Amino acid sequence: DQQVKQNSPSLSVQEGRISILNCDYTNSMFDYFLWYKKYPAEGPTFLISISSIKDKNEDGRFTVFLNKSAKHLSLHIVPSQPGDSAVYFCAASSRGSGNTPLVFGKGTRLSVIA
Amino acid sequence: DTAVSQTPKYLVTQMGNDKSIKCEQNLGHDTMYWYKQDSKKFLKIMFSYNNKELIINETVPNRFSPKSPDKAHLNLHINSLELGDSAVYFCASSQQGGSGVIYEQYFGPGTRLTVT
Repeated sequence: DQQVKQNSPSLSVQEGRISILNCDYTNSMFDYFLWYKKYPAEGPTFLISISSIKDKNEDGRFTVFLNKSAKHLSLHIVPSQPGDSAVYFCAASSRGSGNTPLVFGKGTRLSVIA
Repeated sequence: DTAVSQTPKYLVTQMGNDKSIKCEQNLGHDTMYWYKQDSKKFLKIMFSYNNKELIINETVPNRFSPKSPDKAHLNLHINSLELGDSAVYFCASSQQGGSGVIYEQYFGPGTRLTVT
């Protein structure tokens, strides 16, 4: 029973273009969403987050969009760089419910081609 | 200047053995976690400790016993290892804010456990 789904296991994008990574969730109690980036043999690194009271959060080249009615969020990377090549995990939690754990998607492997 | 460190990075052992993985964070966080990433690549929470007290235990077999000697350390001891325990184990930490809100988690590099 996957509460957080990343349906694209991989994505290839040319350097300089936009990368769009998608994530869907099923639990309507989720109110906080995060994106993590993971390089091989390293732990996930926090990238950007968004609260359910917002529909967009931007940090430099990274923007996360949240569509609550569709239970969908996406991460946009513009412009994409070769160093962005990594596995990206979407995660969600119910902060309003206190100490609930993060629920992760399966990840999407992004390859940025020079 | 590692924020969340784990030892060992790799661990190969035989079925039935007992092993421990150590985790330390120097971020001053009050909450620490253990996650398991299995062969299907899902990252799943196992345990969470806040100020040395267990707050989350996600139906993990009792062969797994976490121990938090202080806020900066969370160790994982595994008894009678089984083939299915082979996975990458990640430690993480975060700071708990007001009303129980937990902020972003910071992960260690992972420990790849192989049980033969």
